[in-house]
Amino acid sequence: QKEVEQDPGPLSVPEGAIVSLNCTYSNSAFQYFMWYRQYSRKGPELLMYTYSSGNKEDGRFTAQVDKSSKYISLFIRDSQPSDSATYLCATTPGTYKYIFGTGTRLKVLA
Amino acid sequence: EAGVAQSPRYKIIEKRQSVAFWCNPISGHATLYWYQQILGQGPKLLIQFQNNGVVDDSQLPKDRFSAERLKGVDSTLKIQPAKLEDSAVYLCASSSNLAVHFGPGTRLTVT
Repeated sequence: QKEVEQDPGPLSVPEGAIVSLNCTYSNSAFQYFMWYRQYSRKGPELLMYTYSSGNKEDGRFTAQVDKSSKYISLFIRDSQPSDSATYLCATTPGTYKYIFGTGTRLKVLA
Repeated sequence: EAGVAQSPRYKIIEKRQSVAFWCNPISGHATLYWYQQILGQGPKLLIQFQNNGVVDDSQLPKDRFSAERLKGVDSTLKIQPAKLEDSAVYLCASSSNLAVHFGPGTRLTVT
């Protein structure tokens, strides 16, 4: 079993839709959770960073962590074509060692 | 704040040749990482430095890959000799807290 599982997609949605991206993890020692956005031929860009269970909001983006289920989500409201990218979840137990998911490819259709 | 810088951005070499990548992390970041990202996969850690010391190189193929971080700032990653399966994007990243910041990557094609 991989430490972090993520559906690779691709996921296609119409402009304006709410997007839900998800990851599961296996190790309860993981305490910190991140979402990265990666455009084609670019390095990953940090979007959201959370520690505790619950929700964290930043503009159109909401990160949700459920430690009891070992499940993390990223919601994108009012999705735009410019949101089309690969979204990577990542986690760490706090030791500076990060485990990344495989990434979900998202395409927002105009 | 200037981001993580990497060069070259692209490199094409033949198998059995050698190649080197350079990284300049964000100023003040003590932790530096080299990741390998194969198309369609997430980044895989190759080596992690804390200042100029190696913290984790358990997934670095040491028979062909080497990395150094002199003076705790810039870093180089070398592959010698390259194999076809080394074709990937090599990402350098740095952090000062628990958030990792990536450079643009070097896309390596081995023919």
